[in-house]
Amino acid sequence: SQTIHQWPATLVQPVGSPLSLECTVEGTSNPNLYWYRQAAGRGLQLLFYSVGIGQISSEVPQNLSASRPQDRQFILSSKKLLLSDSGFYLCAWSPTAEAFFGQGTRLTVV
Amino acid sequence: AQSVTQLGSHVSVSEGALVLLRCNYSSSVPPYLFWYVQYPNQGLQLLLKYTSAATLVKGINGFEAEFKKSETSFHLTKPSAHMSDAAEYFCAVKGSNYQLIWGAGTKLIIKP
Repeated sequence: SQTIHQWPATLVQPVGSPLSLECTVEGTSNPNLYWYRQAAGRGLQLLFYSVGIGQISSEVPQNLSASRPQDRQFILSSKKLLLSDSGFYLCAWSPTAEAFFGQGTRLTVV
Repeated sequence: AQSVTQLGSHVSVSEGALVLLRCNYSSSVPPYLFWYVQYPNQGLQLLLKYTSAATLVKGINGFEAEFKKSETSFHLTKPSAHMSDAAEYFCAVKGSNYQLIWGAGTKLIIKP
């Protein structure tokens, strides 16, 4: 069966520091991959999605970037974090229609 | 373009009472519709999905949803609420470009 791993679960980072969140999927090949963010009291915001290695689509201009160096690996990065980057980050994969989510990373920028 | 509206950011019901969470969608094509549940500090879990088969869809944890094309609705129900149902619920419709279009979410509060 397919599983999705996302780490770390929580992260506290100072303003201006870099960020790297990693997500990997097991048990499938060529999945569609997604990064979402949930800010406090707000819904799901799609940040990036990828339909293949090296193919990244950005939904919202921001201080973040994404990469897909391997088929089942999706990385969310920032060179310099802002306070507004705080939130709950979710990785997801999709075979066709529905999406399956990782456990999320709670990022607090201080 | 597809869109999803969830009526009520918070819904409060008593334990044992009927749960009804409302979702209306807009779609120019036959929709694929989903309900997800999110517990605090966790990812989203798929409750159920409608993919143009039976209009009454049964999901996990005793939840079900009925697709009503004439009303463009996909409301989520459960006959008897349990304390463990307290969570946030999201409705979504399949959009273009491999994406899901999400509602704003409804927090379900269960009163003892």
